Amino acid sequence: KAGVTQTPRYLIKTRGQQVTLSCSPISGHRSVSWYQQTPGQGLQFLFEYFSETQRNKGNFPGRFSGRQFSNSRSEMNVSTLELGDSALYLCASRLPGLATDTQYFGPGTRLTVL
Amino acid sequence: AQTVTQSQPEMSVQEAETVTLSCTYDTSESDYYLFWYKQPPSRQMILVIRQEAYKQQNATENRFSVNFQKAAKSFSLKISDSQLGDAAMYFCAYNAGNMLTFGGGTRLMVKP
Repeated sequence: KAGVTQTPRYLIKTRGQQVTLSCSPISGHRSVSWYQQTPGQGLQFLFEYFSETQRNKGNFPGRFSGRQFSNSRSEMNVSTLELGDSALYLCASRLPGLATDTQYFGPGTRLTVL
Repeated sequence: AQTVTQSQPEMSVQEAETVTLSCTYDTSESDYYLFWYKQPPSRQMILVIRQEAYKQQNATENRFSVNFQKAAKSFSLKISDSQLGDAAMYFCAYNAGNMLTFGGGTRLMVKP
């Protein structure tokens, strides 16, 4: 099976712009979670989507949003970008079984905000 | 809130030797899962090993094994016969629901 894919792999934006990142889960996986990784804050949970519904949300401002499509692909959007949004954004997918099922990660999207 | 602590920011091991990475966590839950993920320079997070809290037997995966002490809330990772390809950041993670809580990571260097 193909793994989790994320596009684009690298992005450079300027402050105030908005950005959309995409994640395609492993075939058959219906849950997609997003994490932000920065040197200062480490890995932090953003949100999880399951069957097109947001099930859980981390402590991030409303500028961070997401959605999931019927084919389980997910997008996350960051509006009004700030310098502090520069990070590696990781997507992870898991089977629709137990909530504690193993999450499998994609290669990430490196976002740089200038 | 659950917290995960990795007290060793950096560790070094000689090739073919054994190294142990430490992890402690804080939770009031009784049923949860613990994971070790490896993040090489490519930044891809790779699952190394997972442990179910209700299982007393420590998980093993080839050269990787854990020492899970539930009462002490400790979950260490032992890497035997270390290889150059083991050099990476290692993250301990806790899951009792829909989200992973990560520790700060331990950078493992492997000396030839």
